[in-house]
This record gives sequence, C-alpha cells and structure tokens, in this order.
Amino acid sequence: DAGVIQSPRHEVTEMGQEVTLRCKPISGHDYLFWYRQTMMRGLELLIYFNNNVPIDDSGMPEDRFSAKMPNASFSTLKIQPSEPRDSAVYFCASSLGGAGGYEQYFGPGTRLTVT
Amino acid sequence: QKEVEQNSGPLSVPEGAIASLNCTYSDRGSQSFFWYRQYSGKSPELIMSIYSNGDKEDGRFTAQLNKASQYVSLLIRDSQPSDSATYLCAVTQKGNKLVFGAGTILRVKS
Repeated sequence: DAGVIQSPRHEVTEMGQEVTLRCKPISGHDYLFWYRQTMMRGLELLIYFNNNVPIDDSGMPEDRFSAKMPNASFSTLKIQPSEPRDSAVYFCASSLGGAGGYEQYFGPGTRLTVT
Repeated sequence: QKEVEQNSGPLSVPEGAIASLNCTYSDRGSQSFFWYRQYSGKSPELIMSIYSNGDKEDGRFTAQLNKASQYVSLLIRDSQPSDSATYLCAVTQKGNKLVFGAGTILRVKS
C-alpha cells in the first residue's frame, strides 16, 4: 500500500491567496483526520471525517478554513484567504476505526509558507 | 492546564542507557494512550499503544500507564543514536479525538 498521500509537499503563497491541500487516505480506512503542526502550538486536530462525513470540526481555527471529503479516497483542506499565521505543516492521517483503538497513519505532510 | 503535558527536553542519554519519557493528562475519561515518534522533518509514527493500567512491553520499548495518577510513560532500553527524535504522547478524548502533547526531544549520544 502506498500509505497516505498528500499534495503538494511544499506550498509557498502570498497573503490573501487561496490555498488547497489534498489528501488521499489509505484504501479501506474509514476515518480521516487533518492536523496542523507548529512550534508554538504543537500538533493540533483541525477536523475529522468518518465515512466521508465531517464529525468534529471544533479545531478549525476560523471561517477561513474549510474541509471536504467528496468520496472515500479524497479530501481537501482549503484556506481562503491565507494569512502568514497559517504557516505550518499540515498532516492528513487515516485509520481503520476511531482514535480509541486504531492506529492513525500519517501522510508526509504539506509545509505551507504564507508570506 | 494543558490537556496533555510533556517535558520538552531535550533529554540526553548515552548510548546503551535507558531513556525515560513521561506524560500527564487532564481528562479522567481518556481510555487510550499512544506514543508516537517523529524524526525531524518527518511525520509521526506510532510506536506503542496502551489501554489498561500496568506495563506493556514491545522489544526495547515499555509503556506504563497509571490512570489513577493520570500518568503515562515510555521507557526505551539500550538506547541507540537512531532513537534520537521527538516523542509525542497522545491521549483519546471524547471518543475519536486524539490530543497530542508538545513532545519530548530525545538525544542519544554515541
């Protein structure tokens, strides 16, 4: 299996631009998680999906962030408009079940820099 | 109070020694506990999970859980330079959410 696939691996954009991050989970996994990692705040859960349905988006920082999962093999995280404080590494993870008893497999991450 | 607390380190140990990493958590309802390892510039990878009080051993790694004290630890025996990484403690909350600690940097000196 190829593991969790994320694209792009690096993104540099200017403040105010729209940014779209993409994720392909491991086939057969029914949970998908989006995390953000910064030095200041560590690894934070932004949103997670179960069977393509958003379950908890309480970690999404503000309305500029949105996430979708149109099918079992694809998810996007969009930031519009982007701001310098959004600079971070964004990870997508997937698992066979919920966080309680199943390993979450992380993708390689997207390093976002907003200038 | 942070939900999951770890000493940021760095924790420096000589090669061959035992490294002891600690974590405390605030939610008494948490049921599942995990240790992830993250090399610089890489993504986290799971190395241990523990669900009940006591010790769980896997090779050179031992996870310890004490729910009464809300305390989780990870022991790494015979530490190797390749163990140098950041170790993240993660705890489940409200069912399917994982909350991560800030991580402890471990440095194993050869």
